[in-house]
Amino acid sequence: GQNIDQPTEMTATEGAIVQINCTYQTSGFNGLFWYQQHAGEAPTFLSYNVLDGLEEKGRFSSFLSRSKGYSYLLLKELQMKDSASYLCAVRDTGGFKTIFGAGTRLFVKA
Amino acid sequence: GAVVSQHPSWVICKSGTSVKIECRSLDFQATTMFWYRQFPKQSLMLMATSNEGSKATYEQGVEKDKFLINHASLTLSTLTVTSAHPEDSSFYICSAITGQENYGYTFGSGTRLTVV
Repeated sequence: GQNIDQPTEMTATEGAIVQINCTYQTSGFNGLFWYQQHAGEAPTFLSYNVLDGLEEKGRFSSFLSRSKGYSYLLLKELQMKDSASYLCAVRDTGGFKTIFGAGTRLFVKA
Repeated sequence: GAVVSQHPSWVICKSGTSVKIECRSLDFQATTMFWYRQFPKQSLMLMATSNEGSKATYEQGVEKDKFLINHASLTLSTLTVTSAHPEDSSFYICSAITGQENYGYTFGSGTRLTVV
């Protein structure tokens, strides 16, 4: 079956670093995405990993280990506006269908 | 960049009525669009894959006669919630592949449906 697990909630302090983990078990794999979603809004693309390793993009980095079915999103220099849900998503093979995890709600406090 | 436009942003309807949600691709053609539903504090659940000029592919457990999908052109897909009930109240969101961002999704702004 398809299963994507990530923590429900996390809290971190402004200026700090936070790591959001994601583990997945899917029938196919053609890339892993991280999206940010503010309450009541559409998700927006953050990162994409298809090969093992770390992808860095400004304050955000994403890591993938395909053999372990594991990814994490690293957010540095946290800002209050980073308070949002972060969705881990896996794209299936043979098309563009994408399965989403339940999301991790991140609260950034002053 | 490419934009996916979704309307309406929110709608309130009475039980038993039907509601149509439109999803348009602006400045690009979308042969495939995806419709998701999201309940509060839950994940995006794929309802169906909308294919231009052919029937939609529905996920298991999604009633195709209740959630009618039409993708008559390369820039427009519609989702009609027929005979809506309060349990259909949810956030409906469409997405398309624009070819940007490693072929990830570009999402519409979503539609908040409330059935009273």
